[in-house]
Amino acid sequence: SQQGEEDPQALSIQEGENATMNCSYKTSINNLQWYRQNSGRGLVHLILIRSNEREKHSGRLRVTLDTSKKSSSLLITASRAADTASYFCATEWIQGAQKLVFGQGTRLTINP
Amino acid sequence: NAGVTQTPKFQVLKTGQSMTLQCAQDMNHEYMSWYRQDPGMGLRLIHYSVGAGITDQGEVPNGYNVSRSTTEDFPLRLLSAAPSQTSVYFCASGTSGGAGGELFFGEGSRLTVL
Repeated sequence: SQQGEEDPQALSIQEGENATMNCSYKTSINNLQWYRQNSGRGLVHLILIRSNEREKHSGRLRVTLDTSKKSSSLLITASRAADTASYFCATEWIQGAQKLVFGQGTRLTINP
Repeated sequence: NAGVTQTPKFQVLKTGQSMTLQCAQDMNHEYMSWYRQDPGMGLRLIHYSVGAGITDQGEVPNGYNVSRSTTEDFPLRLLSAAPSQTSVYFCASGTSGGAGGELFFGEGSRLTVL
């Protein structure tokens, strides 16, 4: 498979706690993106981090990128019930420009 | 602003039948793509287009045809449906494949092949 791998596959936490999801990929990339998918819906873009960036913030989201380890993490702080969804990382490979390759996703459940 | 519109939302086919999944976007995006989503497999790229008249294959193109005659529309054709094509199909558009920014997704078309 050409997909990246996400870890964990499923995560269940209490509302208010922080959630961390990890993504590893296999080859050099131009950028890495994170998307959210609510059950039965399409994917929604959350954040994009370029290969020359190490960290990026957007509201309660913090994304890190370590190109030497070929990995990224998504941190959601102060989680809410509305954050319950599946989260996917997607990479644009240098050799495969204009092809976004998605990981298998992390299913996040926020318990009230 | 409608964004990316996919039709139909649900479809049941018999093996060997043909059909077309429609995708239209009103954001004047040059880039459009089709993905399929299967349990435990994430999203896999079927075909993509970087502009009218230009299409290319993704990771899993076999059994699917596409064309791009206008900027707005990118239909996906199944010529002879097989049970292995049972999946949820997503159309996405963007200013580019990824370097330019985000992809905008439709709500999906759920296809069952019996």
